[in-house]
Amino acid sequence: GAGVSQSPRYKVAKRGQDVALRCDPISGHVSLFWYQQALGQGPEFLTYFQNEAQLDKSGLPSDRFFAERPEGSVSTLKIQRTQQEDSAVYLCASSFQRANTGELFFGEGSRLTVL
Amino acid sequence: SQQGEEDPQALSIQEGENATMNCSYKTSINNLQWYRQNSGRGLVHLILIRSNEREKHSGRLRVTLDTSKKSSSLLITASRAADTASYFCATARTFGGGADGLTFGKGTHLIIQP
Repeated sequence: GAGVSQSPRYKVAKRGQDVALRCDPISGHVSLFWYQQALGQGPEFLTYFQNEAQLDKSGLPSDRFFAERPEGSVSTLKIQRTQQEDSAVYLCASSFQRANTGELFFGEGSRLTVL
Repeated sequence: SQQGEEDPQALSIQEGENATMNCSYKTSINNLQWYRQNSGRGLVHLILIRSNEREKHSGRLRVTLDTSKKSSSLLITASRAADTASYFCATARTFGGGADGLTFGKGTHLIIQP
């Protein structure tokens, strides 16, 4: 596709459920980032992939959060045993440049609500 | 944690007026970027200014960067109703060691009154 695609756009989960959020970056983009955005706040960095390698996962809030990008294209962010504080919009962004040297292209986000 | 801090948090002006938003940051940077986010949407890149640049223009946008004060400003001239959105500054730390992403501020919510 022409842009970064995320699915689902909206997800409602009961506390304790596992969720998986998918990101399709722009074809050929080397870098992929996941961000978490709480209501009224700016995006907070979660993790960074360069191709299939997860080079930085320092922003993941707990070991319940796990991300992968096995073939260097599509990425999945998994949250196990969801808690209410996990409610947020999860944004995926990609870039054809490595790391933080260029602009990021963002998807529309996946809004997670944990009841 | 968020490095950038935008000021003001909210701004309401009349259509046609200029809007100025400021951003302050804490650590040395490689570049600074401004993004726009419409309600319920993803972020859209507006402009990137490198640490060795002082000013940059793009259409109705003008960005300045003062690395000695660790601050940047975004000026939108001749504002339009469609400019209503949240604006975020994002800093890229000096690359070396960490391959982390951009660090965003909390944003300025801009409302253009028709």
